[in-house]
Amino acid sequence: KNEVEQSPQNLTAQEGEFITINCSYSVGISALHWLQQHPGGGIVSLFMLSSGKKKHGRLIATINIQEKHSSLHITASHPRDSAVYICAVRSLVSGTYKYIFGTGTRLKVLA
Amino acid sequence: NAGVTQTPKFQVLKTGQSMTLQCAQDMNHNSMYWYRQDPGMGLRLIYYSASEGTTDKGEVPNGYNVSRLNKREFSLRLESAAPSQTSVYFCASSDRESSTDTQYFGPGTRLTVL
Repeated sequence: KNEVEQSPQNLTAQEGEFITINCSYSVGISALHWLQQHPGGGIVSLFMLSSGKKKHGRLIATINIQEKHSSLHITASHPRDSAVYICAVRSLVSGTYKYIFGTGTRLKVLA
Repeated sequence: NAGVTQTPKFQVLKTGQSMTLQCAQDMNHNSMYWYRQDPGMGLRLIYYSASEGTTDKGEVPNGYNVSRLNKREFSLRLESAAPSQTSVYFCASSDRESSTDTQYFGPGTRLTVL
């Protein structure tokens, strides 16, 4: 079982829909990151969370440390939001902080 | 400010050939990383360098070597490429190894080994 699990793996939505991507993890973490990867493109960091909730434009990220769960929400989705969204946790492994990555959620928003 | 740059963007090799992937960052970061990304799997750490002059193995180091040439540059070498090394390779950097540090990624190198 992967230490970081994302759901769904694939998601197709109509423009304007509210989207939720979930991330569950089984290790102790110091922080959780949401990353965005556009087709053929690089990877950019959207949020870093250690507690609570963060908002940036139409994107909202939440984390529940007790339940070891985080969600990424996209309000009023747009075709330009089509990308792979990756959850990554920062965890202390053998005395060194390491990232453990989920396999990503591929989002396609249709016009 | 280019951030993290990688060369080349694409490469095709034959089995047994060697090549070096180059990575440079202009953010004065101490730590640099090489990852590979394969379909259906999360990014996996190949090697990292916590600071200039140090390198350490990650999760999947076999078949690779690295050089931290200076603070800016961190290269990844495949001495004898194998089809299992077909992947997309990402370089990343961060200010320091910490509990909440953010990594900045390069655009990736798509490598195919025939």
